[in-house]
Amino acid sequence: DGGITQSPKYLFRKEGQNVTLSCEQNLNHDAMYWYRQDPGQGLRLIYYSQIVNDFQKGDIAEGYSVSREKKESFPLTVTSAQKNPTAFYLCASSGRQGLNYGYTFGSGTRLTVV
Amino acid sequence: QKEVEQDPGPLSVPEGAIVSLNCTYSNSAFQYFMWYRQYSRKGPELLMYTYSSGNKEDGRFTAQVDKSSKYISLFIRDSQPSDSATYLCAMRFNTDKLIFGTGTRLQVFP
Repeated sequence: DGGITQSPKYLFRKEGQNVTLSCEQNLNHDAMYWYRQDPGQGLRLIYYSQIVNDFQKGDIAEGYSVSREKKESFPLTVTSAQKNPTAFYLCASSGRQGLNYGYTFGSGTRLTVV
Repeated sequence: QKEVEQDPGPLSVPEGAIVSLNCTYSNSAFQYFMWYRQYSRKGPELLMYTYSSGNKEDGRFTAQVDKSSKYISLFIRDSQPSDSATYLCAMRFNTDKLIFGTGTRLQVFP
């Protein structure tokens, strides 16, 4: 079945560490997105990519980095510069032919700083 | 002012009630309107989408868009405990980026 796979489901980070969240899709979608979700704040866009080897900052890109070397993959690195990284992270994708149909989301990664 | 406003709730209703969830928006250029349902600790899933103004019905769910008032609604008939979730509205121009509301938490009690 086609879909988006995020891993790991739960991730713990020590202070000062970088961690990378994985996002893989087999939907043949061109565009991919990373969101952060905090209680009461809805979804906030971190980075997005509409084509391989190209990506743009979203509303809260500071302290995060991404790469898009393959159409299927869009990993997110949470760097030590992100001062409050504890949150629920969601990856999504959309296809050009599906502009009217919104995004397909993964099941999320819950990151906790310990 | 946020582009999309949504009451966070929680909205608590008895089983069988009709639920009305709403969003207002400020940008008249929005053309595509969507509703997502998100269960706790899961990713959102697309529930309904509508293009421009009008109504769309799918089973117990009806999505309504009033572009003149910049107001969209999702109605749930005969609500069930399994409908308990957070409902997010979303909308877009012709570009890929969706603008999301903050979500309304719905609780349907037996």
